Amino acid sequence: EVQVLESGGGLVQPGGTLRLSCEASGFTFSSYVMSWVRQAPGKGLEWVSSVTASGATTYYADSVKGRFTISRDNSKNTVHLLMNSLRAEDSAVYYCARGGGVVILAATRSDHWGQGTQVTVSS
Amino acid sequence: QSALTQPRSVSGSPGQSVTISCTGTSSDVGAYNYVSWYQHHPGKAPKLIISDVTKRPSGVPDRFSGSKSGNTASLTISGLQAEDEAHYYCCSYAGTYPMVFGGGTKVTVL
Repeated sequence: EVQVLESGGGLVQPGGTLRLSCEASGFTFSSYVMSWVRQAPGKGLEWVSSVTASGATTYYADSVKGRFTISRDNSKNTVHLLMNSLRAEDSAVYYCARGGGVVILAATRSDHWGQGTQVTVSS
Repeated sequence: QSALTQPRSVSGSPGQSVTISCTGTSSDVGAYNYVSWYQHHPGKAPKLIISDVTKRPSGVPDRFSGSKSGNTASLTISGLQAEDEAHYYCCSYAGTYPMVFGGGTKVTVL
C-alpha cells in the first residue's frame, strides 16, 4: 500500500527555521516526482515546491524561492522541505504528494497525498 | 505565476449536473494537456479525480469528466451525489512551474 507521511510541523517565530520531512513507502520512491503543497487557513491549495525523481532538479513557487529548499534521499525514501526566514503568511497545512511518474510534468498527476502537517509562524 | 481562475462556488440538486470552469493562459492551460482536478474534503488529503485533461484514475466514478478548450478547462459532475460536496481545484503544468492551482470551487449539493 502506498503511504506518504509528513512530520516536522509546529510553532515557530517569524524569521525562524523549520524542516519538514515526508516518509514514503509502498512504491519505488526513486521513480516518482515529489511535491509539497500547502493550504493556509481559509485559503485554497498552493503549490510550494517539487523535486524530480533523481533529485537533480528542483522547482519553487515565487513566494518561497530563496527561502525554502527541497531535497530528497532516495536511499531513505524521504523528501525534506527546509524552510528558512519564515513569515506569518507561511502558516499553513503542508502536504507531501507523490507525482504520477518520473518526469516533472507528472507533478500535476499527484495521486497520493499525506494527511498534512501544520506549520504556524507566530510570535 | 498567477493562479488559475475558478468560480468560488457552484451548487446543484442531487442527480443534476454541474460544471466548474478553470481559466488560465496560453502559458499554462492553453499550452499543455496536463490539467488535473482534485477533490478536497475538509480535514482530508486532496484526491486526484482527473488527470491529463480527461483521464480518470482507477476508482474514480465515471460521473466525473474533464475537458478543455483553448485556455479554459472544465470539470463536469453528472448525477450529483451528496458525497460530492467538497472543494474542487484545477491544476495545470506551466513549464517553469510544475503545478499551478486554481483558487478552488466549493460544490454544494442542495
